Amino acid sequence: AQSVTQPDIHITVSEGASLELRCNYSYGATPYLFWYVQSPGQGLQLLLKYFSGDTLVQGIKGFEAEFKRSQSSFNLRKPSVHWSDAAEYFCAVGALGGSQGNLIFGKGTKLSVKP
Amino acid sequence: ETGVTQTPRHLVMGMTNKKSLKCEQHLGHNAMYWYKQSAKKPLELMFVYNFKEQTENNSVPSRFSPECPNSSHLFLHLHTLQPEDSALYLCASSQEQGEPTGELFFGEGSRLTVL
Repeated sequence: AQSVTQPDIHITVSEGASLELRCNYSYGATPYLFWYVQSPGQGLQLLLKYFSGDTLVQGIKGFEAEFKRSQSSFNLRKPSVHWSDAAEYFCAVGALGGSQGNLIFGKGTKLSVKP
Repeated sequence: ETGVTQTPRHLVMGMTNKKSLKCEQHLGHNAMYWYKQSAKKPLELMFVYNFKEQTENNSVPSRFSPECPNSSHLFLHLHTLQPEDSALYLCASSQEQGEPTGELFFGEGSRLTVL
């Protein structure tokens, strides 16, 4: 069965510290992988995506993610967190040939940022 | 003006009421979606409309009835809901054309409480 696991429900980091949010997926076909962010009271916004090619992808707001097929992981990273990064982050997987919206989302990781 | 607008932002209804959620997208996209976001559960895809035609219905109970009169508007009609239907309902749109990009544009959501 297809699934996405985000093992950390809530993470707190200090402003300026580095960040890594974990995502593991289970998918039979070649996956398309995404990270979305949801600020309080807002809808989701796409941060970055991986389809093929270079396994390290750059996104908006200084985020990057690395696809590791051997580990079925797509972890999100940022070298220096800003207070405005406090939000909930969702990893998602989709299939080649599937509709755009037919993504399987993880349960999300809530990020808090300490001053 | 945001690309995807949802109204109302908050809705409280009794189990015998009939109400509707509205979504409008100003992005010229040809696909629209309803998602349900419940606490501690992954985002769930409910319905997909592509060029105004419903292409997916993910086993959603009949008390939820979608309507897509044109590519810019999407409704979710609600009747005889249950308290467990209380959730944030998110509308999204995308451009379905050729290879998928996985980029969904979300509205801010309608927070529904069923008493």
